[in-house]
Parts: sequence; C-alpha cells; structure tokens
Amino acid sequence: SSELTQDPAVSVALGQTVRITCQGDSLRSYYASWYQQKPGQAPVLVIYGKNNRPSGIPDRFSGSSSGNTASLTITGAQAEDEADYYCNSRDSSGNHPNYVFGTGTKVTVL
Amino acid sequence: QVQLVQSGAEVKKPGASVKVSCKASGYTFTSYDINWVRQATGQGLEWMGWMNPNSGNTGYAQKFQGRVTMTRNTSISTAYMELSSLRSEDTAVYYCARGWGFDIWGQGTMVTVSS
Repeated sequence: SSELTQDPAVSVALGQTVRITCQGDSLRSYYASWYQQKPGQAPVLVIYGKNNRPSGIPDRFSGSSSGNTASLTITGAQAEDEADYYCNSRDSSGNHPNYVFGTGTKVTVL
Repeated sequence: QVQLVQSGAEVKKPGASVKVSCKASGYTFTSYDINWVRQATGQGLEWMGWMNPNSGNTGYAQKFQGRVTMTRNTSISTAYMELSSLRSEDTAVYYCARGWGFDIWGQGTMVTVSS
C-alpha cells in the first residue's frame, strides 16, 4: 500500500503563516484531505478536494497540491490552531477503494 | 444534527474479540459509506476499512484481512466493527467516520487488550 509522509512537527508565531506538507505517490492521482486533531478529541475535517472547506472551518485554512505533494496552509495562525494535522488520500493500489493517512504533523503556535 | 455515536470502552483479554458499534443520526444512513480508523496512544491514524450500509459490501486494509468484520443493521442505522484474535498491539481508540470525505467522526471507543 501507499504511504503519505509528513514532517513530524512545525512551529509558527501567532498571526504568521505555516505550511504543512504531505508527500506520497497516491497524491499524483487523488486529492488529499486534511484533518485537525486536538488532544483527547476526534479528528475534524478541515480541507477536502482541490481546496474546499467544510462549513464552520475558518478561511485561514487552505489547501493546494502539486505532483506528489499536498499542502495545508494556515494563514494568520491562531492559538486554537495548535493541534496535530493529518492528511489522507485514496490509495492507488488494491482492487477496492483503500485509504491511507499521513504520519501526522504537530503544529505549535508560539 | 449529523452525528455518529459509538459504544463505550472495552477491556478484552488477548485472543478475544471486540465488537464496536457506531450509530448514525441526522442523515440517511444508507447514503454514505462508513469507514473505521484506529489510533494507538501517541500514534497516528490508521485506516482499517469501509462498509457500504446500503449493500453491505466491505473493503478491508490488507493488514486486517481475516481479523476484521464490518457489518450493519439498517433498521437502527448502526454500523459495527468486530476485530478478532486481539493482541496487545490492538490497544487503541477506534473511530468510525462517514463517507469518503471522513467528514463526520464518532467520538471514539477505547479498546484495551490486557491479560
């Protein structure tokens, strides 16, 4: 099965911009989705498709993709954005739909 | 509102099986697949498989083939995930999530495997 690789941790100053990347072969064929997870809570979808935000997700969250890399950008990071972020996409292998999650990135807001 | 509510925490002995439920409300249960994802303490998310509540069709991650069974009861809008031959490494929080967008998640069910 495919793998999605993320940097383990990034930090960002309050109000600044941070980009989180996700690399994997499956991203050449499928868009990534992005999830935010705070300690002790279930993940929350923040970006899906080309660059779509579910209702209630602030517009400081945006997504992009190029080749085998997907990115999540937080423009003007807030204290409440401190969390773990995971990408996922459909897996290009197998004869039925498979999905794979990235390794996760811990975002610290300074 | 749209939500998925999971069953409570479980403690099981090695070799036993566990069955976790996921009750859907606020939408048509048969219109969206249900995925199952697990997360060991301090670790990342791991996709386990999917089930189509309308047809009952399933697809499992290769790692869990032969050990996991996903079923549903459409009359009560509930999906189930049963994992057998439990070992300590299966200790984790198990989540259900709606559809290919994983747009709605259950609250998680802690499964502890310990002798």
